[in-house]
Amino acid sequence: DAKTTQPTSMDCAEGRAANLPCNHSTISGNEYVYWYRQIHSQGPQYIIHGLKNNETNEMASLIITEDRKSSTLILPHATLRDTAVYYCIVRVARNEKLTFGTGTRLTIIP
Amino acid sequence: DAGITQSPRHKVTETGTPVTLRCHQTENHRYMYWYRQDPGHGLRLIHYSYGVKDTDKGEVSDGYSVSRSKTEDFLLTLESATSSQTSVYFCAIRKGTGTEAFFGQGTRLTVV
Repeated sequence: DAKTTQPTSMDCAEGRAANLPCNHSTISGNEYVYWYRQIHSQGPQYIIHGLKNNETNEMASLIITEDRKSSTLILPHATLRDTAVYYCIVRVARNEKLTFGTGTRLTIIP
Repeated sequence: DAGITQSPRHKVTETGTPVTLRCHQTENHRYMYWYRQDPGHGLRLIHYSYGVKDTDKGEVSDGYSVSRSKTEDFLLTLESATSSQTSVYFCAIRKGTGTEAFFGQGTRLTVV
């Protein structure tokens, strides 16, 4: 699986959009971008994933650049409950392993 | 919550004793995983299973063994616990390789 690089930490004001970047410059054509988050000592929670096209669900939007070397997770209206560590993972869909990096610690500020 | 139960939720044990953690699912998912989480290291994969009696090693498998004799149960055993195995352990399940994973609430293990 391709390596990902994320900022260690970020702050965002409550009610604003939180934009979390992820670099995956070595991504290959059959690798997906997945995002998970972990809220204070709970088990991680799936957010969204995509291959090439931008994706949106009830939690977030995923914007993948045209060259697929980077992506951005967008939480459109951040709330205090979005404070968490966010993990960007790049992997081949058929890969049985699921490995995590250290993620971005996002703090939503009132 | 996806039907995942980890037991025990908390355990304190002495160095050198065997410890078994249990992950139980009610979803009939094929894949099951064990992770450990330590400060500064994020989640690290210990072992995973892709079916009954089918398991493989992850990044940090030394000192751990697993067994999966039934679809619903995935056991993680520390044959002889060491202080370096003090950690929070998470179990996860997935229906298929392209699907999202669901995690349990974690087991906090302290080895003294």
